Amino acid sequence: AQSVTQPDIHITVSEGASLELRCNYSYGATPYLFWYVQSPGQGLQLLLKYFSGDTLVQGIKGFEAEFKRSQSSFNLRKPSVHWSDAAEYFCAANTGFQKLVFGTGTRLLVSP
Amino acid sequence: ETGVTQTPRHLVMGMTNKKSLKCEQHLGHNAMYWYKQSAKKPLELMFVYSLEERVENNSVPSRFSPECPNSSHLFLHLHTLQPEDSALYLCASSQVWGGNTGELFFGEGSRLTVL
Repeated sequence: AQSVTQPDIHITVSEGASLELRCNYSYGATPYLFWYVQSPGQGLQLLLKYFSGDTLVQGIKGFEAEFKRSQSSFNLRKPSVHWSDAAEYFCAANTGFQKLVFGTGTRLLVSP
Repeated sequence: ETGVTQTPRHLVMGMTNKKSLKCEQHLGHNAMYWYKQSAKKPLELMFVYSLEERVENNSVPSRFSPECPNSSHLFLHLHTLQPEDSALYLCASSQVWGGNTGELFFGEGSRLTVL
């Protein structure tokens, strides 16, 4: 079955430190890949997406993600985390005409 | 207003009540969605409407009844709910249903508590 896995439920990062959130997918073919962020009390907002081409994708708010076919991964990164980045992050995938499948999310906590 | 707007933001209801959640999108999109977000579970797609026709019903119990009177408005009518239905209900829209885009635009959600 098609699935998206986010192995980390919580991650705590010091402000100013780098961040990497993990995402793995299980699909027969390479899906379209997305990262969404949900701030407390808010809906989800698209950070970035990968369809094809360059495997390093730039997004909003200084985030980037790298697609690695060999590892079936699409990890989200940010070189320097700000306190306002504390939120829940969702990886998602679909294969065009199929519905979007979300991971269970990773909650990011930012310590001073 | 811009984006996707959901009302009410918070709702408390008894199991015998009838209430409705409303969603409005100002983006000119053709597809609208209801998702259920419960703690420690992946987002669950409930319903999809494309050009006002329901194209997906993800085995949702009949106590949840969607309505899409036009491409800008989506309702979720609630009746005889159970406490386990307490969750954040998110509305989303996209330009089209299907195709090579997963870009959904979400509302802020309606937090439902069933007593």
